[in-house]
Amino acid sequence: EVQLQQSGAELVKPGASVKLSCKTSGYTFSNYYMSWLKQMPGQNIEWIGNIYGGNGGTGYNQKFKGKATLTVDKSSSTAYMDLSSLTSEDSAVYFCARHRVPYWYFDFWGPGTMVTVSS
Amino acid sequence: DIVLTQSPATLSVTPGESVSLSCRASQGISTSIHWYQQKSNESPRLLIKYASQSISGIPSRFSGSGSGTDFTLSINRVESEDFSVYYCQQSYSLPLTFGSGTKLEIK
Repeated sequence: EVQLQQSGAELVKPGASVKLSCKTSGYTFSNYYMSWLKQMPGQNIEWIGNIYGGNGGTGYNQKFKGKATLTVDKSSSTAYMDLSSLTSEDSAVYFCARHRVPYWYFDFWGPGTMVTVSS
Repeated sequence: DIVLTQSPATLSVTPGESVSLSCRASQGISTSIHWYQQKSNESPRLLIKYASQSISGIPSRFSGSGSGTDFTLSINRVESEDFSVYYCQQSYSLPLTFGSGTKLEIK
C-alpha cells in the first residue's frame, strides 16, 4: 500500500526556517517524482516544485525559488522541503504528492503539514 | 502561467441531482487537465486524469470531458459523500497550476 507520511504541525517565528518531511512506503521511491504543494486557508493549491527520487534532480515554480529547497534521502525513501525566511504569507498547509513523469498528475498525496508563522 | 478558471464557485444541489462543473484554461492545453476532490481537512484525491480517463477505485458516476480550453467534470446523481470542493489542475506547461475550486454544497 502506497503511503506518504508527513511530519507534524509547526509553529515558527517570523524570519526562521523550517524543514518538513514526507516519508514514503509501498512503492519504489527512485521511480517517482515528489512534488510539494501549498494551500493557504480557504485558498486554492499552488505547486512549489518537484524532486526526482532517483537522482535528486529538482524543478521549481519561479514564485518559490529562494523560499523552498527540496531534497531527498533515498536510503529512507524520504523527501524534505526547507522553507526559509518565513513570514505570515508562508502560513499554510503543505502537501507532498507523488507523480511519475511524463504523467504530471498526483495519484497519492500526504495528509499535509500545517505551518503557522507567528511571533 | 496558465490560468484555470472554475465555475461556478459554489453549486448548491440536492442529493440525486446530476451536475456539471466547469474549468476553462487561459490557453489551449489539449487534454492535459486533471480533476481532484478535496474534503474538509483532507488532502485532495485524484478523480479523473487527462480530461476523461477514469481512475481505479473512483465511482463511475464521476466522468470528465473536454479538450483545448473548456473542460467539464460531471457527477451523475450526486451522493451525500460527494459534497466537497473540486479542483482542476493543468499539466500542459510548468508551473503546474490549479483552478480556484468549485464547492459542491447541499441545497
